[in-house]
Amino acid sequence: AQSVTQPDIHITVSEGASLELRCNYSYGATPYLFWYVQSPGQGLQLLLKYFSGDTLVQGIKGFEAEFKRSQSSFNLRKPSVHWSDAAEYFCAVGAEYTGNQFYFGTGTSLTVIP
Amino acid sequence: KAGVTQTPRYLIKTRGQQVTLSCSPISGHRSVSWYQQTPGQGLQFLFEYFSETQRNKGNFPGRFSGRQFSNSRSEMNVSTLELGDSALYLCASSLVGGDTQYFGPGTRLTVL
Repeated sequence: AQSVTQPDIHITVSEGASLELRCNYSYGATPYLFWYVQSPGQGLQLLLKYFSGDTLVQGIKGFEAEFKRSQSSFNLRKPSVHWSDAAEYFCAVGAEYTGNQFYFGTGTSLTVIP
Repeated sequence: KAGVTQTPRYLIKTRGQQVTLSCSPISGHRSVSWYQQTPGQGLQFLFEYFSETQRNKGNFPGRFSGRQFSNSRSEMNVSTLELGDSALYLCASSLVGGDTQYFGPGTRLTVL
């Protein structure tokens, strides 16, 4: 069965510190992988995506993620966090043959301390 | 390009009523998907429409239905509302199935 696990429900980091949000997936095919960010009361904004090719992908707002097939992981990183990065982050997995039936993780809430 | 728009943004209904939510996808996008987001269950896939046909359906009761029009705009309907239907309903559009989905701001439904 397809599933996405985000082990960290909540993370607190200091402004300027580095960040890594974990995402593990279980999928029966070559997955498409996504990271979305959601601010309170808002929809989801796409940060980055992986379909194929280079396993290190760059996204908006200085975020990057690395696809590791052997570990079934797609962790999100940022070298220096800004206070405006405080939000909820969601990892999602899909595949071409499933259409748009994406599976989402439960999210990681990020708090940034000044 | 304008993003995905959803109307209304907020709704308050009472149990037993029905509700219709609307979604206008990004121009040129033919696939529209709907998700329900709640604190307890997270983001759950409701259904996807592509070229006016429902292509995928999640594990929701028949009270939840949808449709897509020839201009790709989509509506979802929930009949006989229950308290547990209170949620943020998100619409997402993409060019084709399996492609990147772009989300709207959502409709916050409160059932009293």
